[in-house]
Amino acid sequence: AQSVTQLDSQVPVFEEAPVELRCNYSSSVSVYLFWYVQYPNQGLQLLLKYLSGSTLVESINGFEAEFNKSQTSFHLRKPSVHISDTAEYFCAVTPFGAQKLVFGQGTRLTINP
Amino acid sequence: NAGVMQNPRHLVRRRGQEARLRCSPMKGHSHVYWYRQLPEEGLKFMVYLQKENIIDESGMPKERFSAEFPKEGPSILRIQQVVRGDSAAYFCASSPSTGVAAKNIQYFGAGTRLSVL
Repeated sequence: AQSVTQLDSQVPVFEEAPVELRCNYSSSVSVYLFWYVQYPNQGLQLLLKYLSGSTLVESINGFEAEFNKSQTSFHLRKPSVHISDTAEYFCAVTPFGAQKLVFGQGTRLTINP
Repeated sequence: NAGVMQNPRHLVRRRGQEARLRCSPMKGHSHVYWYRQLPEEGLKFMVYLQKENIIDESGMPKERFSAEFPKEGPSILRIQQVVRGDSAAYFCASSPSTGVAAKNIQYFGAGTRLSVL
């Protein structure tokens, strides 16, 4: 079985400050990794994914995440946040060959002006 | 290309009534997944369906919950005799049918928020 732990339930930061949202997972088999973002009262949108290849993946809006197999982590980072980044962020994994996503509890990112 | 469509967006039911939630996958997608998000929690997998088949229902409660994805029409998540603990947001996702990597990328609808009075 797989599990995902997001260590911070809430992260408040000031606008233009850097941010890191932490994600660790546990799995006995190889997994694909994802970050989803949920804006208030909306569904989940795929932010970025790691399927294979380079362990550093980037999104179009400045977020990046690095897959660290030895530490079983997939932390999400952004060097300078904007008010519009206020949302809940979910880390998720799915094992190779399986079809269901296993989600972390979510991290609520709040940007203060 | 329309995204995953869920309706209704909000559904209010009294205890003991039935709730029917609908999901139309993205065009060309034949895999559908249902997830439940309880207040202040992450999403939990419920069921995975392909057309006319339930592939994995390991996350479905044993009683009162059922799901289908008929040959024609949307996928339906049905909750019979609802209780207050069923109040949650129910999300549907879909994925394409070809390509190993593509099948693992799920696209989510906006969800149905069920409130049980």
